[in-house]
Amino acid sequence: LAKTTQPISMDSYEGQEVNITCSHNNIATNDYITWYQQFPSQGPRFIIQGYKTKVTNEVASLFIPADRKSSTLSLPRVSLSDTAVYYCLVGSSNRDDKIIFGKGTRLHILP
Amino acid sequence: DAGITQSPRHKVTETGTPVTLRCHQTENHRYMYWYRQDPGHGLRLIHYSYGVKDTDKGEVSDGYSVSRSKTEDFLLTLESATSSQTSVYFCAIKGTSGRGDTQYFGPGTRLTVL
Repeated sequence: LAKTTQPISMDSYEGQEVNITCSHNNIATNDYITWYQQFPSQGPRFIIQGYKTKVTNEVASLFIPADRKSSTLSLPRVSLSDTAVYYCLVGSSNRDDKIIFGKGTRLHILP
Repeated sequence: DAGITQSPRHKVTETGTPVTLRCHQTENHRYMYWYRQDPGHGLRLIHYSYGVKDTDKGEVSDGYSVSRSKTEDFLLTLESATSSQTSVYFCAIKGTSGRGDTQYFGPGTRLTVL
């Protein structure tokens, strides 16, 4: 798996847009970028995945520049319930069996 | 939610006793994983399986063994539990879609070793 670097923690306020950036300088050609969200006392859950440009779903948007060496998870108009740990992973099902998580970004939403 | 369950959900045991945690899936996925999560360490991979009877070590495999005799079940065994194995254990499954790594996690097992 390509190594990823993301901020340890972030604070924001309700109603704001939050952007969490992940660096993955050694991403391989076939690698996808996947983000997970983990609430306290629960397992991580998949929120979004992309390969290039922009992906949007009902939860978040994922922006990937042309060089793919970084990606940005965007959460629109956050609420207190978005307080969680967010993990960025880079890899390919064709190549990576062993999936290792980093420490993620601890996002704290303030009222 | 993906059909993945873990049992037991909570367990308290004593040092030196054997403990087996079970992960069960109804999705027929090939890959299954065991992680532990501790404050300050995030999720750490213990063992994983890429098919029936096919398993491999993760980052923190010492003191743990696994078995997978059928597709739907992945067992994690602590042969002789120690207090350092007090943790929350998560099981995950992953299909092979040919795309990125998309895992689905179980609800977790909270294990306390006294």
